[in-house]
Amino acid sequence: DQQVKQNSPSLSVQEGRISILNCDYTNSMFDYFLWYKKYPAEGPTFLISISSIKDKNEDGRFTVFLNKSAKHLSLHIVPSQPGDSAVYFCAASGANAGNMLTFGGGTRLMVKP
Amino acid sequence: DAGITQSPRHKVTETGTPVTLRCHQTENHRYMYWYRQDPGHGLRLIHYSYGVKDTDKGEVSDGYSVSRSKTEDFLLTLESATSSQTSVYFCAISESIPSGPYGDTQYFGPGTRLTVL
Repeated sequence: DQQVKQNSPSLSVQEGRISILNCDYTNSMFDYFLWYKKYPAEGPTFLISISSIKDKNEDGRFTVFLNKSAKHLSLHIVPSQPGDSAVYFCAASGANAGNMLTFGGGTRLMVKP
Repeated sequence: DAGITQSPRHKVTETGTPVTLRCHQTENHRYMYWYRQDPGHGLRLIHYSYGVKDTDKGEVSDGYSVSRSKTEDFLLTLESATSSQTSVYFCAISESIPSGPYGDTQYFGPGTRLTVL
């Protein structure tokens, strides 16, 4: 039973528009959430994170929103660029949930020029 | 980029043969991890290490063993490979535990693509 789910396996967006990637979790013990980005034939790289004491964290074109009551987080990319085309993984962790990262299945984002 | 290398990068083997994958880091980080990536499952933790000779199981540890005799090297062994172990394997490192706002970022290696026929 997956504790972190990304229900959209793929997303296609036009360059310059907003990309919204979604992630749901079931374990209420998770208190820290991260997004990783992965290009083909490379390892994932850290993108942005958010603690459960916040509901928003922004870093340049990337913003992560957390809705604890809905156990939902989303990653917004504005404006989207072709170089953002990659697989995005959300991950969650918690000191009371084993400390290790639990990853979602990933969403492949394609940004069309 | 964090200094993490994985070897081999690609391997094809037959069912029942032993396989060892190597992860080498030059960052002197305490924590090292092995994940496997499969379609629809994302990254799943196999084993991790929190110091030399200190290891623990992850979510999908059955059929895998690990060893860490030096800070810089973390080996993943499939004692008798099966077709269900066909996957892409990633090594990761971090200076401390990844959990929480004061936790440490995990850095990933380039991956090893393993095919078991």
